Amino acid sequence: KNQVEQSPQSLIILEGKNCTLQCNYTVSPFSNLRWYKQDTGRGPVSLTIMTFSENTKSNGRYTATLDADTKQSSLHITASQLSDSASYICVVRPFTGNQFYFGTGTSLTVIP
Amino acid sequence: GAVVSQHPSWVICKSGTSVKIECRSLDFQATTMFWYRQFPKQSLMLMATSNEGSKATYEQGVEKDKFLINHASLTLSTLTVTSAHPEDSSFYICSARDRDQGSGTSSFYNEQFFGPGTRLTVL
Repeated sequence: KNQVEQSPQSLIILEGKNCTLQCNYTVSPFSNLRWYKQDTGRGPVSLTIMTFSENTKSNGRYTATLDADTKQSSLHITASQLSDSASYICVVRPFTGNQFYFGTGTSLTVIP
Repeated sequence: GAVVSQHPSWVICKSGTSVKIECRSLDFQATTMFWYRQFPKQSLMLMATSNEGSKATYEQGVEKDKFLINHASLTLSTLTVTSAHPEDSSFYICSARDRDQGSGTSSFYNEQFFGPGTRLTVL
């Protein structure tokens, strides 16, 4: 069964600190994996997209890594800011078909 | 580029009425659009996939007669919640997938672009 699991479910960190969010998936064969940021009451916005052959992708203070062998991905946020408070969603697309598999998300709260 | 809009952004209606939500791709053509529903503190749940000019494909458990989807053009899809009830209150989000154009980044990754969502409250 194709699944995407994220951890932790929620996280609170101090402004300026770093954090890492995890995504484990069972989707196979797998085409690409994306990380989205969703502010409360808004639609998700893409942060990074990686194909199965890519190991890391950066977007400013966001760095995603991918280990296709262990089917794990992480999103590292450096020097967190208050505006980073949001839900972060891992989405995996299989090699065929229209389906996208969504993780349950990690709710991040950055406090001053 | 790759902007998806939704209208309205929020709507409050009485129980029993129907509500139409529009999803538009503003600067690209979308052969496929997706409709999601999201309850508080939960992830997005796919409701249906619509392809331009054909009937939508609904996920298991989603009533096609209650959630009417029309994808009449490459830039517009509509979701109509018929005879809405309080349990239909939710955040509805659409996404659009860029039409494959060959070597463009978005088409290579088969990116889907999300709209800002529509908050539906049924009283």
